[in-house]
Amino acid sequence: AQKVTQAQTEISVVEKEDVTLDCVYETRDTTYYLFWYKQPPSGELVFLIRRNSFDEQNEISGRYSWNFQKSTSSFNFTITASQVVDSAVYFCALYPGTGANSKLTFGKGITLSVRP
Amino acid sequence: EPEVTQTPSHQVTQMGQEVILRCVPISNHLYFYWYRQILGQKVEFLVSFYNNEISEKSEIFDDQFSVERPDGSNFTLKIRSTKLEDSAMYFCASSVVGEETQYFGPGTRLLVL
Repeated sequence: AQKVTQAQTEISVVEKEDVTLDCVYETRDTTYYLFWYKQPPSGELVFLIRRNSFDEQNEISGRYSWNFQKSTSSFNFTITASQVVDSAVYFCALYPGTGANSKLTFGKGITLSVRP
Repeated sequence: EPEVTQTPSHQVTQMGQEVILRCVPISNHLYFYWYRQILGQKVEFLVSFYNNEISEKSEIFDDQFSVERPDGSNFTLKIRSTKLEDSAMYFCASSVVGEETQYFGPGTRLLVL
């Protein structure tokens, strides 16, 4: 069974602070994909990043970076120099490697508030 | 940049009424999905659809729900007899065949009174 746990429910930071959002997942698949989606107050789901299980190299994309550690089944997401526009709910999601075009399993989301 | 669109953005209906939620997936995508998000909760998978048939469905997707691709562009979710607990945000998503990333529409917020 697939499971995604986002233990943090709400985080509040002051603008320009760095913030890390935690995600822990469970899967029996040896190949899988992990995602982060952002849901701003307007409600839509915006794809942010994707990582496959066979590539543990961590990357930086602009103000976003992620730390994927297979040994601890964690896929944490960091926003550097946060801005008010980063205020949103952030969802971590797991996609199984077995079978194409399968369903995403989402965590409960983390509400991030960035104060000016 | 191509995007998934959904109509209506909001729908209010009376319990027991039928509703149809509409989606236009990204044009070269052939896999379509419906997810729902009850207020304040996580996003849950309902159904996936490919080649004019359901590929996978969750336990939420019971006989009250149906999906259809009535023409070359639209993908619809029908709820036959709405219940109060159907109140949620419904997201449509689409993806390229064999591709992991699903692109979501803006959602339809359904309120059942």
